Formats: sequence, structure tokens, C-alpha cells
Amino acid sequence: AQSVTQLDSHVSVSEGTPVLLRCNYSSSYSPSLFWYVQHPNKGLQLLLKYTSAATLVKGINGFEAEFKKSETSFHLTKPSAHMSDAAEYFCVVSVSGYSTLTFGKGTMLLVSP
Amino acid sequence: KAGVTQTPRYLIKTRGQQVTLSCSPISGHRSVSWYQQTPGQGLQFLFEYFSETQRNKGNFPGRFSGRQFSNSRSEMNVSTLELGDSALYLCASSLDPSGETQYFGPGTRLLVL
Repeated sequence: AQSVTQLDSHVSVSEGTPVLLRCNYSSSYSPSLFWYVQHPNKGLQLLLKYTSAATLVKGINGFEAEFKKSETSFHLTKPSAHMSDAAEYFCVVSVSGYSTLTFGKGTMLLVSP
Repeated sequence: KAGVTQTPRYLIKTRGQQVTLSCSPISGHRSVSWYQQTPGQGLQFLFEYFSETQRNKGNFPGRFSGRQFSNSRSEMNVSTLELGDSALYLCASSLDPSGETQYFGPGTRLLVL
């Protein structure tokens, strides 16, 4: 069985400041981990994916995430927030080799000018 | 390449009716998964199809069903609609079900009155 816990339901930052969205996972098997973003009234867009290669994964729009097995964490970061980053972010886990995705509850990122 | 398309985008139905939603995957993708998104339960896996066969099913009642056609297009059906079925239904496609990245469509928003 696998599960995902996103530690913050809402995160507020000012434009130009760093972003940190926290995610912890649980998986009985070697996991694949993803971050997806959902803008209002839109579908989900893949930001980045970890599949047991490099532990630091770079994604689109300046986002990156670090896989830490000892901490079972996969936190998402960005050095400098932009207004267009305001959206809901989902941390997602699947078992490597299988496609069923298990989603976290989501973190709403609010960016103020 | 065109992305995942879902039709219709919006639907309003009344309790007791049935509804069919359609999903066309990215060209060349043979695996299609369906997810339900609600404010209370978040994103939950409904089922996955590959080569016209259901490979996995989530924890939903039998009123929820689906199928996949030989061209990989998929439909999901919900019979005897309940108020609680109001949700955003998302379809995702991937090359195959071996853990390849899933790409999501914009969703169909269903409102049950």
C-alpha cells in the first residue's frame, strides 16, 4: 500500500521569495514520485518525476524536488516565486512499474505581489 | 501532438439519470486511467484500461463503469446518479501501464441536481 501526506494545505509567499511545498510518502515498494500542478478550472500538468535515477529532479518552470529515502520525503522547491505559480500542487506516488497513482490532498500556493 | 481531450467539458444531470463521459488519449498512448476529484475526497483513482481490458479498479460502487475501444479512446459511465457524484472527472493517458508518466486532460465537470 502507498500513501502521500502533504504537510501544508496552504502556503503563502511573496513574489520573488523561495517556495517550499512539503511532501512525505509511504510505499511498500520502490516508488515513483511526481509533482503535478492544477491551475483553476484546468486539468493536471506534470511538473517533475522521480524514478530512482538522480535524487535531485529538475522540472518545468524552475521547480525542483529532492528525493530523500531516509526521510521518506519529496519536497518541491523553487528559488523565486512568480505570480503565475499560484495554483494547487499535488504530490503523487505510484509503485515503480505500475500506473495507478495515489494523490496527496494538495497544497494551495498563494503568491502575493 | 494533441493532448488528452475530454468531452463534454461540463454536464448537468439530475439524480437517477445516467451519464457517459468520453476521453481521447494522446496519439500512440494505449493506457487510459480515470480519476474523480471532489473537494472532500480529493483525487481518487477510478479505473485503468489497456488494450480494451480493465487492469485496475478503485474503490467505487458498481454504478461506475468504463470501457476502452480498439483506438484507445475510453468512456466512463455512471448510472443512477447521486448528488455525491458531482465532481471533476479527469482522464489520463500513458504509453502503457508499466509506470510511464500519465498526462491529464482538462476534465469533465459533472453537476448532479
